[in-house]
Amino acid sequence: NAGVMQNPRHLVRRRGQEARLRCSPMKGHSHVYWYRQLPEEGLKFMVYLQKENIIDESGMPKERFSAEFPKEGPSILRIQQVVRGDSAAYFCASSHPDRTTPYEQYFGPGTRLTVT
Amino acid sequence: QKEVEQNSGPLSVPEGAIASLNCTYSDRGSQSFFWYRQYSGKSPELIMFIYSNGDKEDGRFTAQLNKASQYVSLLIRDSQPSDSATYLCAVGYGNKLVFGAGTILRVKS
Repeated sequence: NAGVMQNPRHLVRRRGQEARLRCSPMKGHSHVYWYRQLPEEGLKFMVYLQKENIIDESGMPKERFSAEFPKEGPSILRIQQVVRGDSAAYFCASSHPDRTTPYEQYFGPGTRLTVT
Repeated sequence: QKEVEQNSGPLSVPEGAIASLNCTYSDRGSQSFFWYRQYSGKSPELIMFIYSNGDKEDGRFTAQLNKASQYVSLLIRDSQPSDSATYLCAVGYGNKLVFGAGTILRVKS
């Protein structure tokens, strides 16, 4: 499967726990983007990463949220001390490192986070 | 604040008709435009992208871009019940895509 992989697909956490969401980009893609989709709302950009670098985190909440994309392994979105308002679908997208098409982003299946 | 506006719908069309979905954007300097399809409970699927003024056709889909009017549209010919989904317009800004809230399309057989 050469598509974007995300796991877990569903995650349930109690308030105050930590959530870790993982994303492996498509083969040949080295740019990773995280988006959040709240119920009945549109997709909102959170962060853009390349290997070992955070390029743009303008959409990340200031506290409790962090992201990384290490040299080896998947990108990880980490949410500390989750609250009910964090319940949402979190999508990862990837794109090819080609200057002429930086925005053709392909989405993974998403992680549905439920905070109880 | 970069904005992308779509009519939320639902837009209902009979099977076999042309569905027309519209989107406007706020930043005149935008250069790249995308249409994604999202089935309920699923992830967005890229179906079209367009960078230049005019029309771009791919199978039953045609994307139309008018930068002077800051307007982009998606036409779906010979609509099928399987086209029923939410269609998301997205505009590239810097390193990210800014999405509209989506238009719900219902194709009635």
